[in-house]
Amino acid sequence: GAGVSQSPSNKVTEKGKDVELRCDPISGHTALYWYRQSLGQGLEFLIYFQGNSAPDKSGLPSDRFSAERTGGSVSTLTIQRTQQEDSAVYLCASSPPGLVGETQYFGPGTRLLVL
Amino acid sequence: AQKVTQAQTEISVVEKEDVTLDCVYETRDTTYYLFWYKQPPSGELVFLIRRNSFDEQNEISGRYSWNFQKSTSSFNFTITASQVVDSAVYFCALSAGTDSWGKLQFGAGTQVVVTP
Repeated sequence: GAGVSQSPSNKVTEKGKDVELRCDPISGHTALYWYRQSLGQGLEFLIYFQGNSAPDKSGLPSDRFSAERTGGSVSTLTIQRTQQEDSAVYLCASSPPGLVGETQYFGPGTRLLVL
Repeated sequence: AQKVTQAQTEISVVEKEDVTLDCVYETRDTTYYLFWYKQPPSGELVFLIRRNSFDEQNEISGRYSWNFQKSTSSFNFTITASQVVDSAVYFCALSAGTDSWGKLQFGAGTQVVVTP
């Protein structure tokens, strides 16, 4: 079946602009995750949605970052007033229904460059 | 707090050699899950294995094998008879903690370079 898809694949923006990154999880997966991968920081957790529960936003680096998940499926990560340090690859993952520790399947990522 | 250490930054081998990637983890939880992912040059993270803390049985899948030892908090990964297609960055990750199940704590990754 289809895997996790993300769009756009690449995004170049100017400092101060807002960007939206989209993630389509695997059909039937109830949990959705966002991570960031940058040279200096490695792979960092950002936010986690599980079903209808309130999202775990503990990894968001600042209030310029927000995410929402509509209808329990597609998710959008929004970065407002982008800064150069936001340049990174943003990875989305989803996991099947389960209690804990389910395997997370990753999408191809969105490569964001802030000039 | 959870922590994963992959001390090897880069390993270079010649094709057909075996390579072992080390992973040491830290958690105070008795229930946890460990994972290995492969990130080839294309960039997508590919899932390799998931192991829970109650199952210390070693696992073999083709040329891949994993050695889980709770006594040393290690979950090492061996590629037998390496091939050029094994060239990638490999990440070890930990999921643990009542409030942290959704957060994968990744190690820094080990770059494996296999030359013909």
